[in-house]
Amino acid sequence: DAGITQSPRHKVTETGTPVTLRCHQTENHRYMYWYRQDPGHGLRLIHYSYGVKDTDKGEVSDGYSVSRSKTEDFLLTLESATSSQTSVYFCAIRDRGFGAGANVLTFGAGSRLTVL
Amino acid sequence: EDQVTQSPEALRLQEGESSSLNCSYTVSGLRGLFWYRQDPGKGPEFLFTLYSAGEEKEKERLKATLTKKESFLHITAPKPEDSATYLCAVDNYGGATNKLIFGTGTLLAVQP
Repeated sequence: DAGITQSPRHKVTETGTPVTLRCHQTENHRYMYWYRQDPGHGLRLIHYSYGVKDTDKGEVSDGYSVSRSKTEDFLLTLESATSSQTSVYFCAIRDRGFGAGANVLTFGAGSRLTVL
Repeated sequence: EDQVTQSPEALRLQEGESSSLNCSYTVSGLRGLFWYRQDPGKGPEFLFTLYSAGEEKEKERLKATLTKKESFLHITAPKPEDSATYLCAVDNYGGATNKLIFGTGTLLAVQP
């Protein structure tokens, strides 16, 4: 997936446990995003980052936190997982360059999380 | 409120039967409209970006067009390998960091 890797790809956990999903990129892009995808809702932005240690909330950020200590890694943490957080999570990166690929989001393969 | 609506939700075509997918949008100021293809179990894959009304982009059997209120993805003589979910997303001038607004997608099935 074009220099973007998500881990784990699949995880089953229990309500109340902490979970961390990792996104790793080798493209040196400044912008990184976490989305969740649910039937009937499409892709919804959870958090995004516009640089090392620079993050901001998206439309569905409650119950999630993020960290970015290095350009290449963006972590999504569920402090205490709930069943409503069962979803497929996608990381995306973006290059603010110029030309045909400018401002295009490139997505990872996704992490499927099931909270029992 | 900024909004993106895709129709139909699902579309079943016979191989070779051309059709169009619709993406209608309501945003304060369009900076760009994006089309993505998503295969089962994978992340969305970029297809096109359109920036202004009247613009068209083509790739193999796909052609995307844009008006001031909607975009169409035309599929000419589709093949079974075109089966996927097609997502539309818009970027508006209100979002300083390209926070795309996605539609819920059209699930396309092309039967041989």
